[in-house]
Amino acid sequence: DAGITQSPRHKVTETGTPVTLRCHQTENHRYMYWYRQDPGHGLRLIHYSYGVKDTDKGEVSDGYSVSRSKTEDFLLTLESATSSQTSVYFCAISESGQGQSPLHFGNGTRLTVT
Amino acid sequence: QQQVKQSPQSLIVQKGGISIINCAYENTAFDYFPWYQQFPGKGPALLIAIRPDVSEKKEGRFTISFNKSAKQFSLHIMDSQPGDSATYFCAAANGNKLVFGAGTILRVKS
Repeated sequence: DAGITQSPRHKVTETGTPVTLRCHQTENHRYMYWYRQDPGHGLRLIHYSYGVKDTDKGEVSDGYSVSRSKTEDFLLTLESATSSQTSVYFCAISESGQGQSPLHFGNGTRLTVT
Repeated sequence: QQQVKQSPQSLIVQKGGISIINCAYENTAFDYFPWYQQFPGKGPALLIAIRPDVSEKKEGRFTISFNKSAKQFSLHIMDSQPGDSATYFCAAANGNKLVFGAGTILRVKS
C-alpha cells in the first residue's frame, strides 16, 4: 500500500457535532483528495489540494471544509454533522492531477452520524 | 448528473468464465479512462487504464476495450477467479477532472 494513513478508521457521532478526519501521507505527493463513497454513487470528490494551503472544491463540497498546513497532512472537517454525511470517506494522493497520474487511496474512514 | 454510466450494478460469474463490465461517457473531452478495483475494507486501487489513441489494452487477464465513436469502454476479465471478487469502478478524466462510475460488484463463484 502507498503510505497513506487515515484516522480514525471508524467513528460514530451525533447530529450537529463537529468531526475532523485526518489523512497522512509519506509519499510527498503534491495532490491530495477527499472522496466519499455511497452505494449507487461510486466515489464523489469532496475537496482536493494541489499544495500546502492550496485547496479547491469538488463535486459535493457543501457542509465540508478542508485544510492542508503541511505536505503530508490533509484534514476534512464536518462543521456540523448531518445524517446525510453518513458515508465511507477515502483520502487519495497523486503525483500529478487526477487525469494525469494514478490515484492511491487510503483504506477509508467509516463515519456514522446518528 | 452522472457523467459516466456503469453497468451492470452487480455480476455473478462462474470460475473460469468471462466477466464484462461496461461504461459509457458523455464528455468527449475525456482523455484518460482508468479502472479501479476495490476489495472489502480497502480503498480502490488502479487496475488498468487506457487513453483514446488505442482501442484495446491488455494486462494479463484484464483487457480494456475502447470505442471512441460510441463513447463506450469496457473491462473484460478472462478466466475469472474467486480472487477477482471485488467492486470495480470505471472512471473518465480530462486534465484535473476525474469522474467515477457507480461501481459493479463482481462475485466469482467457485
